[in-house]
Amino acid sequence: DGGITQSPKYLFRKEGQNVTLSCEQNLNHDAMYWYRQDPGQGLRLIYYSQIVNDFQKGDIAEGYSVSREKKESFPLTVTSAQKNPTAFYLCASSMPLTGQNEKLFFGSGTQLSVL
Amino acid sequence: DAKTTQPPSMDCAEGRAANLPCNHSTISGNEYVYWYRQIHSQGPQYIIHGLKNNETNEMASLIITEDRKSSTLILPHATLRDTAVYYCIVRVATNAGKSTFGDGTTLTVKP
Repeated sequence: DGGITQSPKYLFRKEGQNVTLSCEQNLNHDAMYWYRQDPGQGLRLIYYSQIVNDFQKGDIAEGYSVSREKKESFPLTVTSAQKNPTAFYLCASSMPLTGQNEKLFFGSGTQLSVL
Repeated sequence: DAKTTQPPSMDCAEGRAANLPCNHSTISGNEYVYWYRQIHSQGPQYIIHGLKNNETNEMASLIITEDRKSSTLILPHATLRDTAVYYCIVRVATNAGKSTFGDGTTLTVKP
């Protein structure tokens, strides 16, 4: 089945540690996104990529980094510079088509907690 | 993208219609209304979208007022599995990643 796979489901980070969240899609979508969701709140855009080897900062990029070496993969690294990383992280993808309505497809999320 | 306003929470009896309102008084002529929902601890799921005509699919119906300043998502026969946070988003057809997911409406379907 086509979809977006995020791993792990739960992740714990120690002080000063970098951690990487995985996001893989087999939908052949060009665009991929990372969002952060804090309890009881909506989603905030961290980074997005519309094509391989290119990505842009979203609204809250500080303390995060990404790469887009393959179309299928868009890993997110939460660096030690992110002082409040505890949140639910969501990866999404879409297929931008000129003149067409573009829908977002989401993974099932990764819950990151600080030890 | 236009700002939307939704009630923070609503209840609905199982088997009855759930009507979720959304105000978007500053919507532009080329902006669509999209609805997503998020079941607890999962990623949001697309439900439906529309421009100015009413729309229906297997999940829901979308009613947009003639002046397009508000809309209503209708779940015709709500089930317990419809308990979720529902997001109303207004944006142009492209640039899906720029969708603004606000706090949404938490719908609780009760037996």
